Amino acid sequence: DGGITQSPKYLFRKEGQNVTLSCEQNLNHDAMYWYRQDPGQGLRLIYYSQIVNDFQKGDIAEGYSVSREKKESFPLTVTSAQKNPTAFYLCASSIEPGLGADTQYFGPGTRLTVL
Amino acid sequence: AQKITQTQPGMFVQEKEAVTLDCTYDTSDQSYGLFWYKQPSSGEMIFLIYQGSYDEQNATEGRYSLNFQKARKSANLVISASQLGDSAMYFCAMRAYAGNNRKLIWGLGTSLAVNP
Repeated sequence: DGGITQSPKYLFRKEGQNVTLSCEQNLNHDAMYWYRQDPGQGLRLIYYSQIVNDFQKGDIAEGYSVSREKKESFPLTVTSAQKNPTAFYLCASSIEPGLGADTQYFGPGTRLTVL
Repeated sequence: AQKITQTQPGMFVQEKEAVTLDCTYDTSDQSYGLFWYKQPSSGEMIFLIYQGSYDEQNATEGRYSLNFQKARKSANLVISASQLGDSAMYFCAMRAYAGNNRKLIWGLGTSLAVNP
C-alpha cells in the first residue's frame, strides 16, 4: 500500500538530548513537510522540502533541523536548542508544490514528550 | 494577512442528521485553494475535500460537500447523514498560489461529536 509512515509513534526524550523523527513515503511525491501541533492550536509548519537536497524553513524552524537525501525520506531532528519540544509532530507529502490542488497527505504522527 | 477562522470550537449532531462546520478565510490573492481535513483521536490528518477559488461548482465527495460562498469568503463543510465514526476534529486550511507561497494556513479546528 502507498502511504506515509512515521516512527516512532511515541517518543520520550530527556532534556538536553537530540532526537530524530523518521518520515518515509512511497507515494513518489516530490514535496514533503513537517508540522508541529500543540493542544488548542492549528498546525504550524517547521520545514518543507520541494526536491531532494533542498529544504526551506517554515514558521517555527528554530531548534529543528532536517535533511532530504532521498526522495522518500525527510527526517526531522529536534535539537536541545528547542525550548519546548513536547508536541505532536506530523509529516506530510504532496505531488508537486504550487500546482493545482497540491493536496498534502499526512502520516500517523509522532508524539514527543520531554521528561 | 492570510487567515482561516473556525468559530465553532465544538459541535454536537445526532446520528444520521446533517451538520455544517463553518470556515471563513481572509486573503487578497485571486487564486487560492481551500481544504478540509479530519483528525480522529488517533491523530492522523485525513484529507476530505478540496475547493479551488475558480471552481464554479461546489465540491462534493461522498457524504462531504463544501458550501463555497466566494463573496462572503466562506467555505463551510457539510456532512450529510452523520455517522458515529465522524466524531473527530475538523480543520479548514487555505493555500494561496501567488508568488512562491508554499504553505497551508490552518484554522484552529472544530471538534465534532456524533451522538447515537
